[in-house]
Amino acid sequence: GQNIDQPTEMTATEGAIVQINCTYQTSGFNGLFWYQQHAGEAPTFLSYNVLDGLEEKGRFSSFLSRSKGYSYLLLKELQMKDSASYLCAVMDSNYQLIWGAGTKLIIKP
Amino acid sequence: GAVVSQHPSWVICKSGTSVKIECRSLDFQATTMFWYRQFPKQSLMLMATSNEGSKATYEQGVEKDKFLINHASLTLSTLTVTSAHPEDSSFYICSTTRGLNTEAFFGQGTRLTVV
Repeated sequence: GQNIDQPTEMTATEGAIVQINCTYQTSGFNGLFWYQQHAGEAPTFLSYNVLDGLEEKGRFSSFLSRSKGYSYLLLKELQMKDSASYLCAVMDSNYQLIWGAGTKLIIKP
Repeated sequence: GAVVSQHPSWVICKSGTSVKIECRSLDFQATTMFWYRQFPKQSLMLMATSNEGSKATYEQGVEKDKFLINHASLTLSTLTVTSAHPEDSSFYICSTTRGLNTEAFFGQGTRLTVV
């Protein structure tokens, strides 16, 4: 079956760096997405990786290793507003998004 | 600005009544619309995929007669929760994409509470 794993919850300190990991096993691969979701709101797009390597976008970076079925989202200079859930999603061979359960990130002052 | 407009944002209804949720694609023609349900502290669960002009494809375990989906035009898809019960209370979100291998755009979500 198809499976995406990410930690349930993480805690970090304001101003620090945090890495949220995601491992996946899917039928085919057409890219991996990271989304941010604040409580009670719809997800918002953060990043898209389809080739191996690191994609940097401001304070957020996303890494992909297709051979390992692994990705991470790196958040630098954490701010209180970064407290949210971070969802990893993989697009399979049918171009359907398979969603992870999300990682709740708690930022402490 | 918003690419997908979903409303209502929240609705409270009595058990046994029906509720319609609308999703409109604002910037482009949405051939396909995905409908998700999300329970508290859980991830998105795909309910069904609707394609303009054809019947929706429902995920296993989702009752097609209870969750009616209509995608009559390229800019509008609707989800009707019929004979709603308290266990249908959830966050419902629609989503579409501009094409393959592209990011998903989400509506604002609808918080449904059935009392």
